[in-house]
Amino acid sequence: AQSVTQLDSHVSVSEGTPVLLRCNYSSSYSPSLFWYVQHPNKGLQLLLKYTSAATLVKGINGFEAEFKKSETSFHLTKPSAHMSDAAEYFCVVIKGEYGNKLVFGAGTILRVKS
Amino acid sequence: GAVVSQHPSRVICKSGTSVKIECRSLDFQATTMFWYRQFPKQSLMLMATSNEGSKATYEQGVEKDKFLINHASLTLSTLTVTSAHPEDSSFYICSARGWRNYNEQFFGPGTRLTVL
Repeated sequence: AQSVTQLDSHVSVSEGTPVLLRCNYSSSYSPSLFWYVQHPNKGLQLLLKYTSAATLVKGINGFEAEFKKSETSFHLTKPSAHMSDAAEYFCVVIKGEYGNKLVFGAGTILRVKS
Repeated sequence: GAVVSQHPSRVICKSGTSVKIECRSLDFQATTMFWYRQFPKQSLMLMATSNEGSKATYEQGVEKDKFLINHASLTLSTLTVTSAHPEDSSFYICSARGWRNYNEQFFGPGTRLTVL
């Protein structure tokens, strides 16, 4: 069964320092993985997606993630945090025969200190 | 492109009343729409999947008679919470998927439902 585990419920960084949000996945076949961001009381925005092409995926707003099959990981990184990055981030895997269902991780709240 | 809207953004209702939430794909045809709910400080949980013109498929544990879903056109799906109770208070989010980019769902901004 497909699932994702976000290893940190909260991450706090200083503005200008690197961001690392960790996600491990479980899948019986090559997964499709996503990172979404949710700002308070707003809908989700897709940051990036991995669908079995390049293992290093670049997304919007300077974020990127690397698919590592040997470690079953899909960690989200950004070289330099900005105040506007403060939000909740969800690691997501597709489940289901026809790619119908998104299975969300528990979420990681990113706090950026000035 | 690929914009999804929801209406209303917030609704407060009395216990026992019904509430309808609309989800619209504004610039593409949504062959499939999904409804999620998100409790405070928790992740999104899929409630149901609806394909245009057919009955919705509900996830285990979701009462189909309480959460009525209609997907009558390629741009509109509605979720009606019938006989709402305080425990139904939640953040309801819809998403839509079109013919292109089959793996990607586009999310609406969500509807905050508070049942008094």
